Amino acid sequence: GESVGLHLPTLSVQEGDNSIINCAYSNSASDYFIWYKQESGKGPQFIIDIRSNMDKRQGQRVTVLLNKTVKHLSLQIAATQPGDSAVYFCAENWDNQAGTALIFGKGTTLSVSS
Amino acid sequence: DSGVTQTPKHLITATGQRVTLRCSPRSGDLSVYWYQQSLDQGLQFLIQYYNGEERAKGNILERFSAQQFPDLHSELNLSSLELGDSALYFCASSVAAGTEAFFGQGTRLTVV
Repeated sequence: GESVGLHLPTLSVQEGDNSIINCAYSNSASDYFIWYKQESGKGPQFIIDIRSNMDKRQGQRVTVLLNKTVKHLSLQIAATQPGDSAVYFCAENWDNQAGTALIFGKGTTLSVSS
Repeated sequence: DSGVTQTPKHLITATGQRVTLRCSPRSGDLSVYWYQQSLDQGLQFLIQYYNGEERAKGNILERFSAQQFPDLHSELNLSSLELGDSALYFCASSVAAGTEAFFGQGTRLTVV
């Protein structure tokens, strides 16, 4: 079935580097996307979202880019810190005949070494 | 703290049994989502409710059911449990579909 996927299961960076986590989605009708961070033993935590009428949105140290032409989403984390180590998921708001659902990809594990 | 409360935090039960997981959404949120997360896996969407009505269904087994009550809390019922049902079960809530969803801390279910 249709689902949101991620390009890399793991990403290792040094503290202070910029991190880029990628996500490819398959449903061209999706109109809303969210990035979540999940630390071990905890629930996913909202980081930033973007609607399909935008191609870029910035938060505190994070930027989300949306390329609808190639159905690609990315999360950029500036000056990555050890506390950023976690699993990152992208999710898309997916409408189909069954209704509307927030569908997640498999996640990218970000490891930050100091 | 996301404002979404899930109980219990941990649950250990035997195969063939039935359990109920409970979720209280954030104040003002009408939409509730349920997800299953197995070891080292992503979040599998199970079902969504909005203001008491089922709105979307994912890969939810027939042995599983859910409902959302008038006070907007939701329950996920899992019956005839199998070892493979062991997982983290998350509830999330949002004001409406297509808005940011906030997750609870999950219920860790272990079937032995």
